[in-house]
Amino acid sequence: GQSLEQPSEVTAVEGAIVQINCTYQTSGFYGLSWYQQHDGGAPTFLSYNGLDGLEETGRFSSFLSRSDSYGYLLLQELQMKDSASYFCAVRDREKGANNLFFGTGTRLTVIP
Amino acid sequence: DGGITQSPKYLFRKEGQNVTLSCEQNLNHDAMYWYRQDPGQGLRLIYYSQIVNDFQKGDIAEGYSVSREKKESFPLTVTSAQKNPTAFYLCASSISGGRNEQFFGPGTRLTVL
Repeated sequence: GQSLEQPSEVTAVEGAIVQINCTYQTSGFYGLSWYQQHDGGAPTFLSYNGLDGLEETGRFSSFLSRSDSYGYLLLQELQMKDSASYFCAVRDREKGANNLFFGTGTRLTVIP
Repeated sequence: DGGITQSPKYLFRKEGQNVTLSCEQNLNHDAMYWYRQDPGQGLRLIYYSQIVNDFQKGDIAEGYSVSREKKESFPLTVTSAQKNPTAFYLCASSISGGRNEQFFGPGTRLTVL
């Protein structure tokens, strides 16, 4: 089966940088995705890593190390609107390469 | 505007009743998904469909049923066999292959009274 571990809560100051880690166990890894979800809202796609290294999209970056079964989401220049839950999700052969297995999420609180 | 819609936003049902949640997309996506989310939890896959007239069970399919008669539509029925149906239900769609970026609808919050 699959397992994903990410911290349940993180608090950071407005304007700062925060890193949300995700470690995974899966039998046939294809890639790691990140989604953002505000309270009561729909998840929205942030980033995807299929290969090792860093992917940058504006203030958000995501990193993957397949040899370490580890990835992270980096949020820079934090804004109050970044307060939300962040989910990592893996694509793997066991679930069917077009499916995602989600972690339980990290609740980020940005404080002034 | 292309997107994915779910209705209703809030739904209340009595124990023992079946209820159907609607999901429609106009993104021309082949794949569609249903997830369940409980408070403070991640998303768990109920059913998915990669193509019209075909669908597969996800991790928690017991007590649920789906149909995929049209590319645009993927309704979910929560049956009386589902023991704990109160949850937030999310529908998503994606193209097949690639990075599988999934686009989510606004969700339906189901409460069993």
